Amino acid sequence: TQLLEQSPQFLSIQEGENLTVYCNSSSVFSSLQWYRQEPGEGPVLLVTVVTGGEVKKLKRLTFQFGDARKDSSLHITAAQPGDTGLYLCAGGDTPLVFGKGTRLSVIA
Amino acid sequence: GAGVSQTPSNKVTEKGKYVELRCDPISGHTALYWYRQSLGQGPEFLIYFQGTGAADDSGLPNDRFFAVRPEGSVSTLKIQRTERGDSAVYLCASSLRAGGDTQYFGPGTRLTVL
Repeated sequence: TQLLEQSPQFLSIQEGENLTVYCNSSSVFSSLQWYRQEPGEGPVLLVTVVTGGEVKKLKRLTFQFGDARKDSSLHITAAQPGDTGLYLCAGGDTPLVFGKGTRLSVIA
Repeated sequence: GAGVSQTPSNKVTEKGKYVELRCDPISGHTALYWYRQSLGQGPEFLIYFQGTGAADDSGLPNDRFFAVRPEGSVSTLKIQRTERGDSAVYLCASSLRAGGDTQYFGPGTRLTVL
């Protein structure tokens, strides 16, 4: 069974700070996806990383896929209150396997 | 509609009752997925359909859970003899095809079993 461990589980920071959250596994994944989920909503896909070592940027968010395709990180620069939410990583094709998520709170 | 819709948004039932949860996927999407998300957890796969047939139901926890998609569009997740442990948010997603296409999620149905 493929498992994804996310850390930290909770993160509360001040507006303007930088942060990194992690997604780790002992299994190799063909791709990893990052989602953000807000209360009362379903997860929304942010990015998919496919190639080992790949780095993708989405405005202030930087996603990296580990060389061995077992781990990934999400770095947010100058966090804003609008970044608040549950960040989930997911791997595999069908079915997707999700981590438990990192719950981020950005305080103004 | 433009996105995946799920009804009802909230369902409160008593232990032992039967419930049905409905999912309307994005028009033209052939793959449809059901997930369950418990408090403090990520979504957990239950079942997915490619067209009308269940391609993988390995995530259904037991035989009280059943899902159908008779015309390849709308799907219904059915739970018999509900238990308090079934309380969770049930998420539906659809994608153009299975096997890696982006999954678009609905807002979920929050099920509470008293």
